[in-house]
Amino acid sequence: EIVLTQSPGTLSLSPGERATLSCRASQSVSSSYLAWYQQKPGQAPRLLIYGASSRATGIPDRFSGSGSGTDFTLTISRLEPEDFAVYYCQQYGSTFGPGTKVDIK
Amino acid sequence: QVQLVQSGAEVKKPGASVKVSCKASGYTFTSYGISWVRQAPGQGLEWMGWISAYNGNTNYAQKLQGRVTMTTDTSTSTAYMELRSLRSDDTAVYYCARSSNYRTWVSWFDYWGQGTLVTVSS
Repeated sequence: EIVLTQSPGTLSLSPGERATLSCRASQSVSSSYLAWYQQKPGQAPRLLIYGASSRATGIPDRFSGSGSGTDFTLTISRLEPEDFAVYYCQQYGSTFGPGTKVDIK
Repeated sequence: QVQLVQSGAEVKKPGASVKVSCKASGYTFTSYGISWVRQAPGQGLEWMGWISAYNGNTNYAQKLQGRVTMTTDTSTSTAYMELRSLRSDDTAVYYCARSSNYRTWVSWFDYWGQGTLVTVSS
């Protein structure tokens, strides 16, 4: 089973700053079958990115995904107040990473 | 618009079973799969399994094999997740999510239900 590791565990930034979140897999993830989700307190997760780099419907272009093989990155170019949340990566259909919390500095 | 509406919160005793429903609307139910994901209090997301709404094929997480059953009722566009022999560590919010592919569990989850809190306590 592939294990996903996310870093950092917490990222403290100010609105307007750039956020770079990392997701590393213990084995190569086939065909970039990797997704990113955002979760705010008390809410269900929301799909942001699929196929490692494709934005889901309605997701602002300040969110971008990149990577392949075992190393993937979610970048938020300029943080908006509504972006402070927990972000999870997932190998399609199964394992989730432990999450990165982006909080306000 | 696509909606997944789940049944309400449950409180169960250890050893009991729980069955959570997930009613889909706004899309062709049998063209997608449904996955179930749970989240213990203050913890991350755990994938539980998947069912094809097209043909009923399932794939369950290994740690839940033998305790979980996922089914669908295509006449009402509703998916169900039953978990048996409940333990205290099954206390969690249970989510259903639409899987982008009806043929395989290897897919992303593009719409999510609101979650159902299941509390297991004596």
